Amino acid sequence: AQSVTQLGSHVSVSEGALVLLRCNYSSSVPPYLFWYVQYPNQGLQLLLKYTSAATLVKGINGFEAEFKKSETSFHLTKPSAHMSDAAEYFCAVSDNSGTYKYIFGTGTRLKVLA
Amino acid sequence: GAVVSQHPSWVICKSGTSVKIECRSLDFQATTMFWYRQFPKQSLMLMATSNEGSKATYEQGVEKDKFLINHASLTLSTLTVTSAHPEDSSFYICSASSTGTSFMNEQFFGPGTRLTVL
Repeated sequence: AQSVTQLGSHVSVSEGALVLLRCNYSSSVPPYLFWYVQYPNQGLQLLLKYTSAATLVKGINGFEAEFKKSETSFHLTKPSAHMSDAAEYFCAVSDNSGTYKYIFGTGTRLKVLA
Repeated sequence: GAVVSQHPSWVICKSGTSVKIECRSLDFQATTMFWYRQFPKQSLMLMATSNEGSKATYEQGVEKDKFLINHASLTLSTLTVTSAHPEDSSFYICSASSTGTSFMNEQFFGPGTRLTVL
C-alpha cells in the first residue's frame, strides 16, 4: 500500500531563510507526486507536480522539489521565505493505476518569522 | 488551468436537516470526482470517489446513507449530508479529475464548503 510521510508537522523559518519541507513516499510503482498549499478556509492550490519527466520540478511562487527515487523523497524547497508563504503544505502521491486517488501526507504548517 | 467550483462556500443548518453541496468542473469534463472531509488542523480524509453515471465508491468507515453522492453529469457532483448533526460539522472539499494524458493523474480542487450544524 502506498503511504506518504511528512516529517515535521510544524516548521518555522525566518523571513528570507531557506524553506525545506520534507516528504517521503512509498509506492510499488512509479508515482505521480504533488505539493499543495492551503491557506485558512480555502481549498488546495497546486504548487508543483512530478510526473516522471524532469526530476527537479519548478513550481509557482519560487518553490521547487526534487524527486529522488533512491531516497523515495520529494522534498519541497524555496531559497528565501516570504511572510506570505505561511500556510499549510500537503504532499500527495498518486499511482498510475487509473483510479486517480491521492494519498495525502499529514501536512506541515509553515510559520514565517519576521 | 482546470477550474472547480463549490457551492455554497459556507452553510449553517439545524440538526436533523439535510444539506446539499455542489461541485462543478467549469472548463473540463470530470470523469472522476472526489469528496474529502477536513477537520481543523488535519489533513484531507477521502470520503468517496464517484465516476459519472456510476454509484460512488465510499471509503471504509464512511456512512453511505448519511453522505449521499451523486455524479449525474460530467461537470456536476453533489454531496448531500442527510439528517445532519453537530458532529458532521466540517470543511468539505471536492476535487475532479479526468482521463487524458494532459491531466496526468492530477486532481483539481474546489475552494471548499464550511458546514456548521447547530
